[in-house]
Amino acid sequence: GQNIDQPTEMTATEGAIVQINCTYQTSGFNGLFWYQQHAGEAPTFLSYNVLDGLEEKGRFSSFLSRSKGYSYLLLKELQMKDSASYLCAVNPHNNAGNMLTFGGGTRLMVKP
Amino acid sequence: GAVVSQHPSWVICKSGTSVKIECRSLDFQATTMFWYRQFPKQSLMLMATSNEGSKATYEQGVEKDKFLINHASLTLSTLTVTSAHPEDSSFYICSAAGGTQYFGPGTRLTVL
Repeated sequence: GQNIDQPTEMTATEGAIVQINCTYQTSGFNGLFWYQQHAGEAPTFLSYNVLDGLEEKGRFSSFLSRSKGYSYLLLKELQMKDSASYLCAVNPHNNAGNMLTFGGGTRLMVKP
Repeated sequence: GAVVSQHPSWVICKSGTSVKIECRSLDFQATTMFWYRQFPKQSLMLMATSNEGSKATYEQGVEKDKFLINHASLTLSTLTVTSAHPEDSSFYICSAAGGTQYFGPGTRLTVL
């Protein structure tokens, strides 16, 4: 089966940096995605990693280590609007299929 | 990014009725669409993969006769919740595969 783990909740302070970790054990691997989801809304795409290393996109960065089955999402200069759930998802197929398996999500609360 | 729409955005119905939810990719063609269900404070659970021109693939534990999926064209997939019951009340989200997955805004179903 597929297993994706991430912390359930995290709290951080406005202006600070927070790192959300994700570990995965899947039958195959064709990329790891991070999504942001505000309450009552659909997820929005943040980042995609398929090769090892760091992908930076503005205040958000995502890191992948395939050998360790590990990724993290790094949020810098936190803003109140960053309070949301962050979903780690893996494409567990070795082909080009698009199906994703989601982790349980991490609810991030940003405090003033 | 790509745009995916869902209709309706919310629906309230009586127990025993059927509800149809539409998912449309507005600016790209999607041979594959996905239907998810999300209960409060939980992550997305994949229900089924909708394939244009062929039968949907259902995840384990999802009743195909209760959740009817029709992928009539490259831009439209529908999910019909038949004989809905209060336990079917949830947030239903579709996504369309176009490189990454692009999510619709979701449909909140409340069954009285």
